[in-house]
Amino acid sequence: DAGVIQSPRHEVTEMGQEVTLRCKPISGHDYLFWYRQTMMRGLELLIYFNNNVPIDDSGMPEDRFSAKMPNASFSTLKIQPSEPRDSAVYFCASRSTGTRETQYFGPGTRLLVL
Amino acid sequence: GENVEQHPSTLSVQEGDSAVIKCTYSDSASNYFPWYKQELGKRPQLIIDIRSNVGEKKDQRIAVTLNKTAKHFSLHITETQPEDSAVYFCAASKNFGNEKLTFGTGTRLTIIP
Repeated sequence: DAGVIQSPRHEVTEMGQEVTLRCKPISGHDYLFWYRQTMMRGLELLIYFNNNVPIDDSGMPEDRFSAKMPNASFSTLKIQPSEPRDSAVYFCASRSTGTRETQYFGPGTRLLVL
Repeated sequence: GENVEQHPSTLSVQEGDSAVIKCTYSDSASNYFPWYKQELGKRPQLIIDIRSNVGEKKDQRIAVTLNKTAKHFSLHITETQPEDSAVYFCAASKNFGNEKLTFGTGTRLTIIP
């Protein structure tokens, strides 16, 4: 298995632009998590899905952030419009209820908003 | 909601010595406690985890202990090696991981050769 796949790996954009981050979870996993990591705030859970349904989006910072999971193998996190304070590393993780409780993280997307 | 505190934020130990990182949690319903290691520029990776029905778990040089009464758990690394240098995160979850993980703020461990 290729593990959790994220794209792009790096994104540089200008303030006000729309940013879309993509994630492909491990095949067969029914949970998907989006995290944001910064030096100041550490590792924050933004939203998570179970069987493609959003379960908890209380970590989404504001309406500029939205996430979708149209099918079991794909999810997007969108920021519109982006701001410099959104600069961070965004991780996607997945896990399966059928096995141990481990969350497997993707390689992350390093976002820089100028 | 759950709150996880982690100490210390930085830790330096001589190679070969032991390192201990401690975490406390607030929600007594939490019953799954993983530890993740994140090397510079890499993703967090699970190194060990423990369920609330177990007091201690070992995996080679790594061990985790859990005190449910006091609501704290610790990571112990023995015979430290340079490759142990990384940031370590503790986390807690209810329902044996079938709910979200709440992470601690991380400990930057540096092994001094």
